[in-house]
Amino acid sequence: QVHLQESGPGLVKPSETLSLTCGVSGYSISSNYYWGWIRQPPGKGLEWIGSIHHSGSITYNLSLNSRVTMSVDTSKNQFSLKLTSLTAADTGLYYCARQYYSSGRCHHFDCWGQGTLVTVSS
Amino acid sequence: EIVMTQSPATLSVSPGERATLSCRASQSISNYLAWYQQKPGQAPRFLIYDASTRATGIPARFSGSGSGTEFTLTISSLQSEDVAVYYCQHYNNWPLTFGGGTKVEIK
Repeated sequence: QVHLQESGPGLVKPSETLSLTCGVSGYSISSNYYWGWIRQPPGKGLEWIGSIHHSGSITYNLSLNSRVTMSVDTSKNQFSLKLTSLTAADTGLYYCARQYYSSGRCHHFDCWGQGTLVTVSS
Repeated sequence: EIVMTQSPATLSVSPGERATLSCRASQSISNYLAWYQQKPGQAPRFLIYDASTRATGIPARFSGSGSGTEFTLTISSLQSEDVAVYYCQHYNNWPLTFGGGTKVEIK
């Protein structure tokens, strides 16, 4: 059974860079799925950040103004997120998730991590 | 960017009654729509894909319908464990976007 687990600092200072990792167990990250990051500000809805395939194919949400970088480490069966120039607006829960891929299209997120709370504050 | 609009924001339904949640896309997304359930303090749970296909293990009381720009999630007989916020998400193109959510509560 696939399990995803986010890890990273819970508190980051404004203007600094957030680094999160999503460890995947029970399933190979080298399979034909994409892997995504989604965030949720406190008390608000869900925002897609980006999706990555082990082949190196990546798509980011352009609303984040090129502050996002994602990568995959197949040897560790994990993928990562970096978000630069943090502000208080980046505070929230960050989820990693597995994304179904078929017929050249990324689809739904069928398995989610529990989420990790990131607070941006000095 | 496709904007997903969910209504109502909050829905109060008596136990055993039907709950009907709406999701509207700002442009046609065919049937490229998923629904998720998020209970307090939990990660979202995947419910439905391709607008109407239930994910593995999802109870039959959950059903989805619609295509184009208008979609509906129906809970045929509301149970106490269905209290949650429900989100729709399109995957027609990039960027993927979610609706603002509908909170379902027990009347």
